Amino acid sequence: EAQVTQNPRYLITVTGKKLTVTCSQNMNHEYMSWYRQDPGLGLRQIYYSMNVEVTDKGDVPEGYKVSRKEKRNFPLILESPSPNQTSLYFCASSLGGVEQFFGPGTRLTVL
Amino acid sequence: GIQVEQSPPDLILQEGANSTLRCNFSDSVNNLQWFHQNPWGQLINLFYIPSGTKQNGRLSATTVATERYSLLYISSSQTTDSGVYFCAVKLANQGGKLIFGQGTELSVKP
Repeated sequence: EAQVTQNPRYLITVTGKKLTVTCSQNMNHEYMSWYRQDPGLGLRQIYYSMNVEVTDKGDVPEGYKVSRKEKRNFPLILESPSPNQTSLYFCASSLGGVEQFFGPGTRLTVL
Repeated sequence: GIQVEQSPPDLILQEGANSTLRCNFSDSVNNLQWFHQNPWGQLINLFYIPSGTKQNGRLSATTVATERYSLLYISSSQTTDSGVYFCAVKLANQGGKLIFGQGTELSVKP
């Protein structure tokens, strides 16, 4: 089944403890991106990747890192999480940046 | 930047009723998608519809790109249609970034 997967789906952590949210797609899509969703602010793009080893900042990149070493994987790294990064995170992928498919979401709480 | 406005913001329907959701955008786009965010938070693709009309079961969508709007029709609504409906657009020179509207929250009562 064609899909985008994310892990973990739920995470509660403490300020400053490094964490990684994984994202993987099995559709051979070259374009992948991360969004966060917050009440009143909607969905905003964090980072995106046009292909392997090609990444760039979205609208809200502060406090996040990404890497794209393989086409199928695009992990989101929070080196020192803070409470304002409590959010619902989505990974997405597409072929040619056209129709995008979203993962199931990761609910992150930073205490 | 581009503005994406959805209306109405909230909608309550009785099961079996029909509804029309609207999405207006302020600039030319080369991609428009409709999503349903279910009560568990998952974003479900409904339509990829930069122009024209598509139908999928009880749902259909129409985008008139020259007039910068899109409509999502839900017929014979069911309680499982409840959730938030988003439209999202992509500009031609903005890579793959989708710009989302604020959504329409739909509640279907039995």
